[in-house]
Amino acid sequence: NAGVTQTPKFQVLKTGQSMTLQCAQDMNHNSMYWYRQDPGMGLRLIYYSASEGTTDKGEVPNGYNVSRLNKREFSLRLESAAPSQTSVYFCASSEAVQTYEQYFGPGTRLTVT
Amino acid sequence: TQLLEQSPQFLSIQEGENLTVYCNSSSVFSSLQWYRQEPGEGPVLLVTVVTGGEVKKLKRLTFQFGDARKDSSLHITAAQTGDTGLYLCAPRYGNKLVFGAGTILRVKS
Repeated sequence: NAGVTQTPKFQVLKTGQSMTLQCAQDMNHNSMYWYRQDPGMGLRLIYYSASEGTTDKGEVPNGYNVSRLNKREFSLRLESAAPSQTSVYFCASSEAVQTYEQYFGPGTRLTVT
Repeated sequence: TQLLEQSPQFLSIQEGENLTVYCNSSSVFSSLQWYRQEPGEGPVLLVTVVTGGEVKKLKRLTFQFGDARKDSSLHITAAQTGDTGLYLCAPRYGNKLVFGAGTILRVKS
């Protein structure tokens, strides 16, 4: 039982490049989330998916897109990376949006030069 | 827009000491979660408090939810080096969960 897994663990991009961060959970949770964590700013919600087939914007969605591929997988895409997107990205899942108790992956550290 | 503050931002103590960290909001929240995050890892849920005035204990950790539902505290008794990490509070406002910036705790042996 791996919980929430994320790939890659580290990534360096040049400005303008694109990439997709992958996330998968094996807890049969309905809801999945993408956050970014920056020093002194806590975790900020980028996008979430309350259930398979639905996605919604969070607090900081600009420059990102998401895909809920199936119940297990939720990917985050940066179409044209910018230095402001340098951050640590965390995927999380929960049984339902209403419970709010979230289980996090180990994170992806992204640097955009 | 609610203002959420965690204090102190950083705390460095000796093993065996007691400490308290705080989470204060400008707005009432319906429930609150505390998470601990170790370097290079994702946050791990410690507890959820849902009732004003509630006190929950988890071994040496005591969590309190303020009567006015605008604040919470985490008290650690006899801190150990394994308590080192970033402590995040996450109040729930309606259907939104908001994370604080956290308190970095370092426990020295």
